[in-house]
Amino acid sequence: GAVVSQHPSWVICKSGTSVKIECRSLDFQATTMFWYRQFPKQSLMLMATSNEGSKATYEQGVEKDKFLINHASLTLSTLTVTSAHPEDSSFYICSAVGGGPSYNEQFFGPGTRLTVL
Amino acid sequence: AQTVTQSQPEMSVQEAETVTLSCTYDTSESDYYLFWYKQPPSRQMILVIRQEAYKQQNATENRFSVNFQKAAKSFSLKISDSQLGDAAMYFCAYRRGQGAQKLVFGQGTRLTINP
Repeated sequence: GAVVSQHPSWVICKSGTSVKIECRSLDFQATTMFWYRQFPKQSLMLMATSNEGSKATYEQGVEKDKFLINHASLTLSTLTVTSAHPEDSSFYICSAVGGGPSYNEQFFGPGTRLTVL
Repeated sequence: AQTVTQSQPEMSVQEAETVTLSCTYDTSESDYYLFWYKQPPSRQMILVIRQEAYKQQNATENRFSVNFQKAAKSFSLKISDSQLGDAAMYFCAYRRGQGAQKLVFGQGTRLTINP
């Protein structure tokens, strides 16, 4: 149980285009999902907190107009990188919180590698 | 703001030996959780062990155990009988209180297992 999927697992796009990444909780409902960004050989940096049915809360320094987050249902959150540029190339990881007896544990997706040419 | 510090960028250990990874954190909260996550080359984050701050007893999970020193704000991970499959990046993480709170990660320690 507690499986989180991400789609796509990797994507290559041209500079100036937009890319959407999906994060799904497959076997539980997640009222809260988190989006992280990880550069090579670095740690995970939280970008935003996504709550179902409400606007996402962005961390300081993260451009909300560039990284659009939509948490439309209890099993799906999407991250859209708008007008992507090479500096947006990174590994994006989502996590979902299931509640219950799991101490509000975060279950992580497998990540999405974005390369912007 | 809470911070998590891992001062060992890289560690190596011989297979079957024991290794300890260090982590310190800073917080003014009294209710919090600490975690160790493993990130193998696949980059899938895997929870290794968790510790509730209110518990004095150190958490253990098979070959993995922690040394939680609350007053010193230290949270080290001991891996016993190291196996080749333990090779990965290890991240220490902090989460405040109850509810769906965000994780604050340390910089990570790359662990190499020498056969």
